[in-house]
Amino acid sequence: DQQVKQNSPSLSVQEGRISILNCDYTNSMFDYFLWYKKYPAEGPTFLISISSIKDKNEDGRFTVFLNKSAKHLSLHIVPSQPGDSAVYFCAASGVGGTASKLTFGTGTRLQVTL
Amino acid sequence: NAGVTQTPKFQVLKTGQSMTLQCAQDMNHNSMYWYRQDPGMGLRLIYYSASEGTTDKGEVPNGYNVSRLNKREFSLRLESAAPSQTSVYFCASSGGQPSGANVLTFGAGSRLTVL
Repeated sequence: DQQVKQNSPSLSVQEGRISILNCDYTNSMFDYFLWYKKYPAEGPTFLISISSIKDKNEDGRFTVFLNKSAKHLSLHIVPSQPGDSAVYFCAASGVGGTASKLTFGTGTRLQVTL
Repeated sequence: NAGVTQTPKFQVLKTGQSMTLQCAQDMNHNSMYWYRQDPGMGLRLIYYSASEGTTDKGEVPNGYNVSRLNKREFSLRLESAAPSQTSVYFCASSGGQPSGANVLTFGAGSRLTVL
C-alpha cells in the first residue's frame, strides 16, 4: 500500500526553465510534507517542507504547493540549474509519536540539460 | 560537524552470514532511523528509535534487529543475510517536531551485497 506516490520516475528539463515534480498521497492524516534531494553515493538531504495548513511555501528557487482536496503536492524549481540534477523524494508524516515517522515516495530523477 | 556517520560504506556477504551496520550521530538528536533504498521502491523504514531505550518496527523489519546503544548510536544487525537484503541502507536522526516537520538528517549510506 503505497501511501506516497511519485508517478514520474524521471524528468528532463532545460537549464533556466521550470522543473515541476509531482507527488500524490492517500493518507488524509498526514500533517507535514517534505522534499528531499539525493545525489549519487550520498544520503538524501532536506530541501523544503510544508504544513497541511498552508498551500504554498517558498525558499529561494524552490516552491512547494499543496492541494489538500486533491491530495497532491508539487515542487517547483525556477530557474533550473545543472546542479539540480538529482533524485527527488517526496515524504509525508503526521504529528507526534509513531505518526511522526516519514513515509517516502519512490523518487523522481531530474536531469537538467544545458 | 560530522552529522550522521555510517560504517561500513560497502560490504559483500555470503548468504547466511551475519553483520552489523553501525550508525552514530553527533547532533544530540533523540530519534534515529534505519531505511533501505531499493530501485523503484523509494526509501522504506526498517526500524526506528524514538528515544534512547526504545525501538519500534517500521515497514520492513523482517530479517533485521536493532540496538539503540546510547543516545548517539543505533546499530542494525542482519543475523542471517539473504540476497533479498541486498540494498543501500541509510541511517538518519531527527530532533523531533518542536514546531513543525520532522526533518531527518541522513548518513551517506551503506551499500550491502548478499551473494
